[in-house]
Amino acid sequence: SQQGEEDPQALSIQEGENATMNCSYKTSINNLQWYRQNSGRGLVHLILIRSNEREKHSGRLRVTLDTSKKSSSLLITASRAADTASYFCATALGNSGNTPLVFGKGTRLSVIA
Amino acid sequence: SQTIHQWPATLVQPVGSPLSLECTVEGTSNPNLYWYRQAAGRGLQLLFYSVGIGQISSEVPQNLSASRPQDRQFILSSKKLLLSDSGFYLCAWSSVIGINQPQHFGDGTRLSIL
Repeated sequence: SQQGEEDPQALSIQEGENATMNCSYKTSINNLQWYRQNSGRGLVHLILIRSNEREKHSGRLRVTLDTSKKSSSLLITASRAADTASYFCATALGNSGNTPLVFGKGTRLSVIA
Repeated sequence: SQTIHQWPATLVQPVGSPLSLECTVEGTSNPNLYWYRQAAGRGLQLLFYSVGIGQISSEVPQNLSASRPQDRQFILSSKKLLLSDSGFYLCAWSSVIGINQPQHFGDGTRLSIL
């Protein structure tokens, strides 16, 4: 079945450094979304990139999508301690607005002050 | 603006007891609604989703069930809880307008089965 897999599983960096997380998936998608989850909380939507887009920016976030390699990356620049969280990619199949997203297992990011 | 409420925040239940978790959405009409379970340190497992009142799709066969008695109310239930039902349960909604809209999550219910 369709699935997104994040890499690495865990990442620890110093404040101010950039953090890069990757997501791979198996079949064609309509769009790919990135979410953030603080410990013990719900997920928060960060950014959506459509299958016909290659790069998207939102503040300190940069997302790329390579449909030929079936992969995406999330870059957080100039990281802060408050960026410490788990980050998930989610993929959407088909053209129906009702198609459920499929979430990966996430990357746990720790930003050390 | 739209908001989603999920309660209770934490719940401790004995094995074999019933369960009822409630989720309500405000500020939008006819949302898609979802129930997920998240094991510790793991990704999200989709349990149920609903595209309208009384319409429930089950993704994983188990002793849980879901109901949507009103447009913006989604309930997760069980008649008899198992130890394996422990986890973090998340409710989410998305708009039916457009294709594959982002999902908006509640703050979750941490369920511990003793």
